Amino acid sequence: GQQLNQSPQSMFIQEGEDVSMNCTSSSIFNTWLWYKQDPGEGPVLLIALYKAGELTSNGRLTAQFGITRKDSFLNISASIPSDVGIYFCAGHQRGPNFGNEKLTFGTGTRLTIIP
Amino acid sequence: KAGVTQTPRYLIKTRGQQVTLSCSPISGHRSVSWYQQTPGQGLQFLFEYFSETQRNKGNFPGRFSGRQFSNSRSEMNVSTLELGDSALYLCASSLAGAGGYETQYFGPGTRLLVL
Repeated sequence: GQQLNQSPQSMFIQEGEDVSMNCTSSSIFNTWLWYKQDPGEGPVLLIALYKAGELTSNGRLTAQFGITRKDSFLNISASIPSDVGIYFCAGHQRGPNFGNEKLTFGTGTRLTIIP
Repeated sequence: KAGVTQTPRYLIKTRGQQVTLSCSPISGHRSVSWYQQTPGQGLQFLFEYFSETQRNKGNFPGRFSGRQFSNSRSEMNVSTLELGDSALYLCASSLAGAGGYETQYFGPGTRLLVL
């Protein structure tokens, strides 16, 4: 199945460092979403972006919807231990049915904080 | 309020068997989506149900099916299990779809192992 290209695949950082990850696609998306998944849990929505060029923050998290609508990035500032987990981007394309249509997910970025 | 619940949490089956997984959405949510998560393919959309009707469908074979009941609870069924069906199956519920991902919440998933 289709997946979005997400990089980096994994990151090892020290507490307090800033983190940056991005997602690219060959297709245009109407919505970009960023999720975090902890072990044994389902993904939790962090940020939703609905407009090209949009820059949105949620606490220490900042995400942007690329101008071309084919990419998005997520930044985490001043990382803390609870930031550990897997981060996924997801893109949504609006179709003929106005509803909760399918999301295409990125391959994930595993974030590890080194003590 | 209670979150999305999925039962069972863990399941072991053998090739050729069939399996039924259950998802109880958040009270008031009418849309239920199912996803398959594997290390190789990542998160892949299976299908979405709204008001007992399948509204959107991903690219999975006909062995994967689902249904939704009048109380919005949903089940998915996989017949003639294959080894490659081993995965975490996630269900997500939302109020009414319509691109409102802020109201979509994932359950913890059912981990299926096919031997």
